[in-house]
Amino acid sequence: GQQLNQSPQSMFIQEGEDVSMNCTSSSIFNTWLWYKQDPGEGPVLLIALYKAGELTSNGRLTAQFGITRKDSFLNISASIPSDVGIYFCAGAFLSNTGKLIFGQGTTLQVKP
Amino acid sequence: EAQVTQNPRYLITVTGKKLTVTCSQNMNHEYMSWYRQDPGLGLRQIYYSMNVEVTDKGDVPEGYKVSRKEKRNFPLILESPSPNQTSLYFCASSAGLAGGVYEQFFGPGTRLTVL
Repeated sequence: GQQLNQSPQSMFIQEGEDVSMNCTSSSIFNTWLWYKQDPGEGPVLLIALYKAGELTSNGRLTAQFGITRKDSFLNISASIPSDVGIYFCAGAFLSNTGKLIFGQGTTLQVKP
Repeated sequence: EAQVTQNPRYLITVTGKKLTVTCSQNMNHEYMSWYRQDPGLGLRQIYYSMNVEVTDKGDVPEGYKVSRKEKRNFPLILESPSPNQTSLYFCASSAGLAGGVYEQFFGPGTRLTVL
């Protein structure tokens, strides 16, 4: 099946640093979403993007819907220890079936 | 508290022994879905339901069944589990086409091991 290419696969950073991760696809998506998964829990929605070029913030998180509609970026500013977890991008087509295509995830570790 | 609940959270079973994983949401959501999560593969959709009595296959439906008799419940049924169904399973729900079908709320997960 289709998959998104998410990078980097893992990151180990110092508290206070900024973080960037991205997703690319060979297909055009109409919706991009970013989720975070804490250990032992289900993914939690962070940001949803619906228009090409859209830039949306949620606290220290900022995500962008790429202008080509084939990519998306997530930035975390001034990381803190509770940012630790796995971040997933997800894309959706216009079909409105609710189907999400997920990336493989970026594991983030933050050193205090 | 708005939530999606799954039971059981952990299950170890043997090949061929039928099992059901329950999923329930209290948000009056129309849309519900099941995913499996495997290392290096992200989450893949198994089945989804746009509303009561309406279900359809996702990317990896083989070996699974679902039913949607009530709006709040969406059980996942494995009639004859096999070891390749060992995985972490998530149920998710959303408001549906009217309220954002893609903004899905996930349950806590069910870790299934099939021996």
